[in-house]
Amino acid sequence: QKEVEQNSGPLSVPEGAIASLNCTYSDRGSQSFFWYRQYSGKSPELIMSIYSNGDKEDGRFTAQLNKASQYVSLLIRDSQPSDSATYLCAGAPPPPAAGNKLTFGGGTRVLVKP
Amino acid sequence: GAGVSQTPSNKVTEKGKYVELRCDPISGHTALYWYRQSLGQGPEFLIYFQGTGAADDSGLPNDRFFAVRPEGSVSTLKIQRTERGDSAVYLCASSAGGTDTQYFGPGTRLTVL
Repeated sequence: QKEVEQNSGPLSVPEGAIASLNCTYSDRGSQSFFWYRQYSGKSPELIMSIYSNGDKEDGRFTAQLNKASQYVSLLIRDSQPSDSATYLCAGAPPPPAAGNKLTFGGGTRVLVKP
Repeated sequence: GAGVSQTPSNKVTEKGKYVELRCDPISGHTALYWYRQSLGQGPEFLIYFQGTGAADDSGLPNDRFFAVRPEGSVSTLKIQRTERGDSAVYLCASSAGGTDTQYFGPGTRLTVL
């Protein structure tokens, strides 16, 4: 069983709409979560990190973490065609693990249509 | 400043051959990670270095895979007796410390024929 699960998509949203992405994880001890964006043929780029329950906003992006339900979500407001990419959810192991060995989900492909 | 660099960008080899993949992290970053990404999947952790030592190599799939970081900067991932199943993009990431943001390099696409 994969430790971090995402719907593979594609998630098709019209330009200007809100894209909502979800991610669930199985390791209840995980405390740090990350959303990466990956354009086709490129490497992952960090968008957001979240460590505490609740919401965290950064520009058009909002990450939400619910540790009791073991899910993380990402909202993209006012979606633009340039947001079309694969979004990867990743979790880091709890202490005393060394480093931030990230466990990634399979990614959700988002397609923003003009 | 310069980001993480990886060479070569593409590597095509034949089954059974030996390959080396190089990663040059961001200057001053003490933590270095190797991941492998197969088509349509998320990156999969291979190994983590803190300085010169491998702090966690639990993701290496078998003993054909080995990585070094002798001077605490550049790292080399070595794959012996390559198999077709080793074909993937090998990503390197570095961070300032063990729990800081990881910055990924462009990856090396390995194709084993």
